[in-house]
Amino acid sequence: KQEVTQIPAALSVPEGENLVLNCSFTDSAIYNLQWFRQDPGKGLTSLLLIQSSQREQTSGRLNASLDKSSGRSTLYIAASQPGDSATYLCAVHTGTASKLTFGTGTRLQVTL
Amino acid sequence: DTAVSQTPKYLVTQMGNDKSIKCEQNLGHDTMYWYKQDSKKFLKIMFSYNNKELIINETVPNRFSPKSPDKAHLNLHINSLELGDSAVYFCASSQLTSGLTGELFFGEGSRLTVL
Repeated sequence: KQEVTQIPAALSVPEGENLVLNCSFTDSAIYNLQWFRQDPGKGLTSLLLIQSSQREQTSGRLNASLDKSSGRSTLYIAASQPGDSATYLCAVHTGTASKLTFGTGTRLQVTL
Repeated sequence: DTAVSQTPKYLVTQMGNDKSIKCEQNLGHDTMYWYKQDSKKFLKIMFSYNNKELIINETVPNRFSPKSPDKAHLNLHINSLELGDSAVYFCASSQLTSGLTGELFFGEGSRLTVL
């Protein structure tokens, strides 16, 4: 059974700092991994999708890496801004291809 | 134009009632999902439909019945509501290609409160 863990559970950083969010999964036989952000009371916004054959994906100030063999992914946020404050979730597709298993989330706060 | 839309956004009802949540996607995707987010913010899949056929059915009470009239719509009907059903229910969609799913797109969620 796939289990996805995210560390840390919460993180507070001053504006401008670079930061890394971690995601680990127990079953390395994944099809792809997706990072989302969720603002309070809102739905999930897809940030990046990494296929199992890829090592990383970049979008603006965001860079996600994937090490399938070790069961890890990181989300790097450069030059953080207060608008980046949200909960970040990683999710992996395993087993049945359309099934997505979510991590526990990291709540990020970027302070002025 | 909202890609995945759910209605209603908020639903407050008494225990024992029956309620439905509707979902529509205009992305042309062939697969739709229902996820439940509990009070601890943990998201868990409930159902998935591909081209109107049920392909994932997690351990969910029989009181929950999904219905997909066409591939752009996936509704969730809940009978005999219980206090523990209180949660936020998210609809999502994606496109399956050669059995693999692409990026998932989520609706804004429907917050259900059972009193």
